[in-house]
This record gives sequence, structure tokens and C-alpha cells, in this order.
Amino acid sequence: NAGVMQNPRHLVRRRGQEARLRCSPMKGHSHVYWYRQLPEEGLKFMVYLQKENIIDESGMPKERFSAEFPKEGPSILRIQQVVRGDSAAYFCASSPPSRGGGELFFGEGSRLTVL
Amino acid sequence: AQTVTQSQPEMSVQEAETVTLSCTYDTSESNYYLFWYKQPPSRQMILVIRQEAYKQQNATENRFSVNFQKAAKSFSLKISDSQLGDTAMYFCAFIHSGTYKYIFGTGTRLKVLA
Repeated sequence: NAGVMQNPRHLVRRRGQEARLRCSPMKGHSHVYWYRQLPEEGLKFMVYLQKENIIDESGMPKERFSAEFPKEGPSILRIQQVVRGDSAAYFCASSPPSRGGGELFFGEGSRLTVL
Repeated sequence: AQTVTQSQPEMSVQEAETVTLSCTYDTSESNYYLFWYKQPPSRQMILVIRQEAYKQQNATENRFSVNFQKAAKSFSLKISDSQLGDTAMYFCAFIHSGTYKYIFGTGTRLKVLA
């Protein structure tokens, strides 16, 4: 049973380009979370999605960032017109449907470097 | 605001010895869950231990145990018989019951010395 799969593991973009990060949750998990980790900092919540629905995007910048979790296929975190401050590790986690309090299963992360 | 504080950015411990990582949190709720996650250099985070706030008994997983002090809002992690493979970043986190937003601390980098 594969774990949470993220790709690409490393992504380099120049300022102004677009970055697309993908996340396939564990089998049977319908909840996906995206977190951002800046160097030497903890994980900051960005967005929580269920299939075809954004439940909470309060941690995501209003501009340039978007996320989706379509009925078919992986969840995608999209960053348009990247800036140097977007350089970070982006982690996806998934969980089965629950009322909260269960374990989050994390992917290995996607490290974005903006030149 | 809900926060998690890990006051020790870095710690080191000799192999086979015991180390305690501290974590405090702030919440006005009474029902919540607490976690310690480990992030090895390979970067994938894995769950170390989980504690339900309504349980008074401290959780234990093999060499890992917690000291949960609900009144003090403290949730420290004790690692006994430290091993080289315990070298990692350790994150404390909590979530309110019935919600989905996990709050993480800034982490403690633990190095186990041979």
C-alpha cells in the first residue's frame, strides 16, 4: 500500500514562472492537507481539501496560490508568478475521513527553489 | 490564538542515554489531541506518539513516552536508550477534537552522538 506520493521532489523555477506540485494521497484517504515549511521553521497550514471541495484555505496566500483535489487524479498546489519568498518545502498529508484527532500521513515533500 | 511552542531549537544526547524534548501549547478547548512527529534527514514526517487530552495516562510507544500535564498545557517527549536513528527534527502538534487544522511547533533538532 503506497504512502502519500508527492512530485516533483525538487523543483527549480525562475521568478515569474509557475510551479505545480502534485500529491496523491494514500489509498482510501479522501482528505488532503498542504503545509509549507520555511527553513528552520515548523509546518504552516495552507489548505485542507476533500474530493472536489476546498474546505479551508485560510492559510494560503490570497494571490498567486491555488489548490485543487479533483474527483480523479492527484491534488495540485499551484503557485503562479513565483517569487523568492516562495522557496520552501511543501508537504502534503492525507487522512481518512474522521472527526479530527487521527494521524496525518505525510509525503516526502516537494522542495521549491526560486532563482 | 492556538499556538505550540518548542523552546529548544537544538539538543544533543549521547547514544543509549535519555533525552526529554519540551512542548507547551495554548488552547481554551478541553478536547484535543497531541502528537509528536519525527522528521529524519530524508524529510518524510512520521508519527512517533499520540495522546488524547481526555486520557490522564501518559502515552507510551516502546522507547518513547510523554509527560502530559494538561493543567500546565505541557506535552514533553522522553526518548529512552537513544539510538543514532533517532537523529531528526521533532515536531509537537495538536488538533482540537472534531476539527482538521493541525497546529505544529517550530521543531527541535535532536542529534544523537555516538
